[in-house]
Amino acid sequence: AQTVTQSQPEMSVQEAETVTLSCTYDTSESDYYLFWYKQPPSRQMILVIRQEAYKQQNATENRFSVNFQKAAKSFSLKISDSQLGDAAMYFCAYRSAGAGGTSYGKLTFGQGTILTVHP
Amino acid sequence: GAGVSQSPSNKVTEKGKDVELRCDPISGHTALYWYRQSLGQGLEFLIYFQGNSAPDKSGLPSDRFSAERTGGSVSTLTIQRTQQEDSAVYLCASSRTAIYEQYFGPGTRLTVT
Repeated sequence: AQTVTQSQPEMSVQEAETVTLSCTYDTSESDYYLFWYKQPPSRQMILVIRQEAYKQQNATENRFSVNFQKAAKSFSLKISDSQLGDAAMYFCAYRSAGAGGTSYGKLTFGQGTILTVHP
Repeated sequence: GAGVSQSPSNKVTEKGKDVELRCDPISGHTALYWYRQSLGQGLEFLIYFQGNSAPDKSGLPSDRFSAERTGGSVSTLTIQRTQQEDSAVYLCASSRTAIYEQYFGPGTRLTVT
């Protein structure tokens, strides 16, 4: 079974600064997807960024980028130029890429990291 | 277009009562997922639907939990004889098919007193 670990229960950053959230995972699969989701107080989970394991290039979405280290099974999220609206709980998630299995599409989440942004 | 909707937004029930939680996925999305978010267990997968069938029920914590999906659309998660440990936020997500991104609803916060 796959596991996802976020070792930072809480992080804080000053507005306009950069912060990195850590995530490690354990899997025996070679093909999979990794995600970062944001959950603000409204509870709505919002997809921030995704990474395909077969791609060596790190994914980037505007101010959000990842550092994907497949051999180390590490998947960190960097938020640049932090904004007050970035304050939320962030979840790292894993999904198998294997087609046809009964668990196809199922997300396995880490414990989450609460990000506070100070003005 | 409309996103995933869930109802009710909040539900308070007495221990031992049955509850039904509803999820309306995005139109045309064939895959539907239920997750539970609680303080002690974090975010955990409950059940996955492809169309009306549920190939993966492995996350349902006990036989008090059941779910169905009709017409390839609306899904209902039913918890019978609720217990205090069932208190959590129940999140629903849908995707075009299982290989595509999941879009989440706002969740139902269930409190069992």
